Amino acid sequence: DTTVKQNPRYKLARVGKPVNLICSQTMNHDTMYWYQKKPNQAPKLLLFYYDKILNREADTFEKFQSSRPNNSFCSLYIGSAGLEYSAMYLCASSRGRSGTEVFFGKGTRLTVV
Amino acid sequence: QQKVQQSPESLSVPEGGMASLNCTSSDRNFQYFWWYRQHSGEGPKALMSIFSDGDKKEGRFTAHLNKASLHVSLHIRDSQPSDSALYFCAVSPNYNQGKLIFGQGTKLSIKP
Repeated sequence: DTTVKQNPRYKLARVGKPVNLICSQTMNHDTMYWYQKKPNQAPKLLLFYYDKILNREADTFEKFQSSRPNNSFCSLYIGSAGLEYSAMYLCASSRGRSGTEVFFGKGTRLTVV
Repeated sequence: QQKVQQSPESLSVPEGGMASLNCTSSDRNFQYFWWYRQHSGEGPKALMSIFSDGDKKEGRFTAHLNKASLHVSLHIRDSQPSDSALYFCAVSPNYNQGKLIFGQGTKLSIKP
């Protein structure tokens, strides 16, 4: 099974409220990623976990948090949603850092109103 | 900042024809290229990777990499309606080949 599962598929949030997105994989991959995709833009890497070590991109460092309670699960947390957070959020996973394929989930479409 | 430029933005090809997509990386530290394909309602899925100069063929798909110019192309022969999708080029840095930087994508439409 090469599936990365994301829940929910669609989420509506209010400005100023927190948002928590969930991702799981059963491939025993040691690395999990979160990307943000806006219309007509490239998917943008937000952060990734290598095992238990969190790496956040410099330009999104303060906007997103994440946790990985075990190897299979990873969450993306927005403390106070703004309109600019409306986007598709893609979770992905891969085995190691040796150039192996990165597997993506179907995404969660977040709309902030 | 690392950029990945793809062209064209959109492409329409008749069924059975050849589709050609292009991608260029702006940073010589990013030399590991991937092609991903995303159908509507699905997540991106890896088509193929290419890390060495020259051609790599997988079925109807051929990728060509020129490391000197950091340019990679994807050619799809005998295009099928099921090839209609958004195609992303992605590059990895030499030091972390799992970290992908994506281009903005090429929307490919195959006309029956």
